[in-house]
Amino acid sequence: EDKVVQSPLSLVVHEGDTVTLNCSYEVTNFRSLLWYKQEKKAPTFLFMLTSSGIEKKSGRLSSILDKKELFSILNITATQTGDSAVYLCAVKETSGSRLTFGEGTQLTVNP
Amino acid sequence: DAGVTQSPTHLIKTRGQQVTLRCSPKSGHDTVSWYQQALGQGPQFIFQYYEEEERQRGNFPDRFSGHQFPNYSSELNVNALLLGDSALYLCASSLGGLGEAFFGQGTRLTVV
Repeated sequence: EDKVVQSPLSLVVHEGDTVTLNCSYEVTNFRSLLWYKQEKKAPTFLFMLTSSGIEKKSGRLSSILDKKELFSILNITATQTGDSAVYLCAVKETSGSRLTFGEGTQLTVNP
Repeated sequence: DAGVTQSPTHLIKTRGQQVTLRCSPKSGHDTVSWYQQALGQGPQFIFQYYEEEERQRGNFPDRFSGHQFPNYSSELNVNALLLGDSALYLCASSLGGLGEAFFGQGTRLTVV
């Protein structure tokens, strides 16, 4: 059975700090790994990673995948209170398009 | 361009009742997936519809069923509701299931 584990489960930082969120996975036939941000209800798409070692970047957020060690990290630099949310990691197999999610990391950024 | 829309936003039902949730995919998308998200957990895959057929199914009982219409919209039906069915139900759409999935705002179902 596919498994996605995120750490830490919760994190409290101050504005301006840099955070690293972790995601490890076990999946039979890996296709891609996706990161989502969930503030209230709808998870919003951040990144999709398919190749090892290629960093994806969007503003203060960046992410990288290691397919050999089966993990990904999501970095947020110069955090702002608006970054407070649950960050979800999910994997997709080659055999279908279902997403298997981790529990999420609850990030709280205090002013 | 409307994104994924779900209705209703909130719903309260009694144990044993039946419920139908609705989802309209993002324009241009043809694949709809449903997820259940319990409080403090990540979303769990229920099933996926493509070309009006169930293409994949997660570990959910037969009480959970669905349908996709020719315009790609979808319904999720849950029969014989249990207290444990209380959750946020998310619909996600994609094109052919290969690209990133876009989520709707969800339906918060409370079973009392």
